[in-house]
Amino acid sequence: GNSVTQMEGPVTLSEEAFLTINCTYTATGYPSLFWYVQYPGEGLQLLLKATKADDKGSNKGFEATYRKETTSFHLEKGSVQVSDSAVYFCALSTGGTSYGKLTFGQGTILTVHP
Amino acid sequence: EAQVTQNPRYLITVTGKKLTVTCSQNMNHEYMSWYRQDPGLGLRQIYYSMNVEVTDKGDVPEGYKVSRKEKRNFPLILESPSPNQTSLYFCASSPQGGGKLFFGSGTQLSVL
Repeated sequence: GNSVTQMEGPVTLSEEAFLTINCTYTATGYPSLFWYVQYPGEGLQLLLKATKADDKGSNKGFEATYRKETTSFHLEKGSVQVSDSAVYFCALSTGGTSYGKLTFGQGTILTVHP
Repeated sequence: EAQVTQNPRYLITVTGKKLTVTCSQNMNHEYMSWYRQDPGLGLRQIYYSMNVEVTDKGDVPEGYKVSRKEKRNFPLILESPSPNQTSLYFCASSPQGGGKLFFGSGTQLSVL
C-alpha cells in the first residue's frame, strides 16, 4: 500500500533560518506528490506539487523536488518568517480507482520565533 | 467566494447520540471526501464520493455513514458516536480529484 513518512517534529527555528522538512514515500504505481500547509484554526491548503520525477514544485519561497531514486520530496525554504509557523503535511496520490485520494504523512509542526 | 463550508466548528456530545456534520461546496466539484485528523497520525480518509449517489469507503469508515444526494452536499453521519471518534474532521472537495483538494475549516468533535 501507499505510505508517507515525515521527519519527526516539532521544528523550532529563528526567523531567517533555513528550513528542511524531510518526506519519504512508498507507493504502488507512479505517484504525484504534494505539500499541504495548515495554519492555526484553518483547513489544509495546497502549498506545492510535483507530478513526475525531477519536477520541482515551488510556491511562496518554498521548494520541493520529486526524487524518484530516493523516493523523497523534501520541503525547503531559504529564509523562514514568523508567518510560516504552521503544520506541514506531505502527501501522495496515485489516481486510478482511488482517483483523488490523498495519503498523508503525520504532519510536522513548524514554529518560527522572531 | 469559492469555499467548502462545514458546520458546526465545534461539537460536544455524549456516547450514542446520533449526530450529523454538514459539508457544502459551491465550486460544482464532482469529488468530495471526509478526513479525520489525529495527533501523530496525520489525516486519514473516512469516505469519499466521486459524484452524486456514488460513495465509497476510505481507510477508516467504521462507525460513519455518508450520503451524496446533491452535488454540493456531503454530510457525515455518526449514528452512535463513541469516545474513539473524538477527533478533528475535515471535508474536502476537488473538481476531479488528482490531489488538489479544497478543505473546509474543520469540525472539532468531542464524544464524552
